[in-house]
Amino acid sequence: DGGITQSPKYLFRKEGQNVTLSCEQNLNHDAMYWYRQDPGQGLRLIYYSQIVNDFQKGDIAEGYSVSREKKESFPLTVTSAQKNPTAFYLCASSKGQGNTEAFFGQGTRLTVV
Amino acid sequence: SQQGEEDPQALSIQEGENATMNCSYKTSINNLQWYRQNSGRGLVHLILIRSNEREKHSGRLRVTLDTSKKSSSLLITASRAADTASYFCATDSRSEKLTFGTGTRLTIIP
Repeated sequence: DGGITQSPKYLFRKEGQNVTLSCEQNLNHDAMYWYRQDPGQGLRLIYYSQIVNDFQKGDIAEGYSVSREKKESFPLTVTSAQKNPTAFYLCASSKGQGNTEAFFGQGTRLTVV
Repeated sequence: SQQGEEDPQALSIQEGENATMNCSYKTSINNLQWYRQNSGRGLVHLILIRSNEREKHSGRLRVTLDTSKKSSSLLITASRAADTASYFCATDSRSEKLTFGTGTRLTIIP
């Protein structure tokens, strides 16, 4: 089945630790995105990538880092510099090259304990 | 910053009634899209309208776009209990940065 997979579904992190969220797609999409969603709120863009080995900061990139070494994968690292990391994180992909219809993963809920 | 602002923030209607949600955005766009999110899940694409289009239909969905007012509306006709969800508009620009609004929580009362 083609799709976009996020793992894990739930993640607990101790304060001061870095943690990496996985996002994999087998849709052959060029573009990938990471969003953060707080309870009852909209989606805020963290980072996006239009093509392999390239990515741009979104609106709330501070305290996060990404890599795009493979077309299929766009992992997000939440660093200790992110002051309030507890949130629901959503990864998405689109064909790119002007086609931004996005397909979403099921999300990772990160809780700092 | 969020490009879109949905209005109202929350909407409750009786099953069978029509639901209308509005979206306003700030900068020029290529396309505007609407998505649906069930609680705790990922978003699902509903419909896309291009900046040179004024209206689009898909099943029970009708979307309008007014680029002069930088606004869009989503109409769901003959609502069903299964339509209960949050609805978001999203806009993209030439950079393919896809930015979402704040969402409308729709509750359909059986």
